[in-house]
Amino acid sequence: GAGVSQSPSNKVTEKGKDVELRCDPISGHTALYWYRQRLGQGLEFLIYFQGNSAPDKSGLPSDRFSAERTGESVSTLTIQRTQQEDSAVYLCASSFGGGSNTQYFGPGTRLTVL
Amino acid sequence: AQSVTQLGSHVSVSEGALVLLRCNYSSSVPPYLFWYVQYPNQGLQLLLKYTSAATLVKGINGFEAEFKKSETSFHLTKPSAHMSDAAEYFCAVINSGNTPLVFGKGTRLSVIA
Repeated sequence: GAGVSQSPSNKVTEKGKDVELRCDPISGHTALYWYRQRLGQGLEFLIYFQGNSAPDKSGLPSDRFSAERTGESVSTLTIQRTQQEDSAVYLCASSFGGGSNTQYFGPGTRLTVL
Repeated sequence: AQSVTQLGSHVSVSEGALVLLRCNYSSSVPPYLFWYVQYPNQGLQLLLKYTSAATLVKGINGFEAEFKKSETSFHLTKPSAHMSDAAEYFCAVINSGNTPLVFGKGTRLSVIA
């Protein structure tokens, strides 16, 4: 079946602009995660959605970052007033339930802020 | 708080040689442990995971990892490296409940012909 998809695959923007990144999880997966991967670094947790529960936003680095998810489907990660330090690959993952269930990752969106 | 340390940001081995990628974790409760592989310009792919069923876990592509509680380690091994194994490898830990994965910084594996 189809895996996790993300769009766009690449995004170049100017400092100060807003960007929206999209994630389509695997159908039926109730949990959805966003991670950030900076060059040469591991993955940094940003936000987690599980079903209809309130999202875990503990990893969002600033109030410029926000994310939404419609039911158990598409999620969008929005970065307002982008800064150069926001340049990274943004990875989305989904799983059937949270906890130790295997997370399946999308190919990522590479964001470059000039 | 849980954490993961991967020793060696870059490991280079000859084709056919043993692959050993090190991972040590810190967790206050029995953890679940994962190894993911990331090929260039791709997302992460699960290699294997430990969920307390067996301490020696076999994964895809001939990789395996052994959970050693006394050493708080979960090192990844493969008896004979192939050129196609060249990639970035990430170790990750999660406790029970609805918490996100905590990743190590990754180890880049190079395989020399």
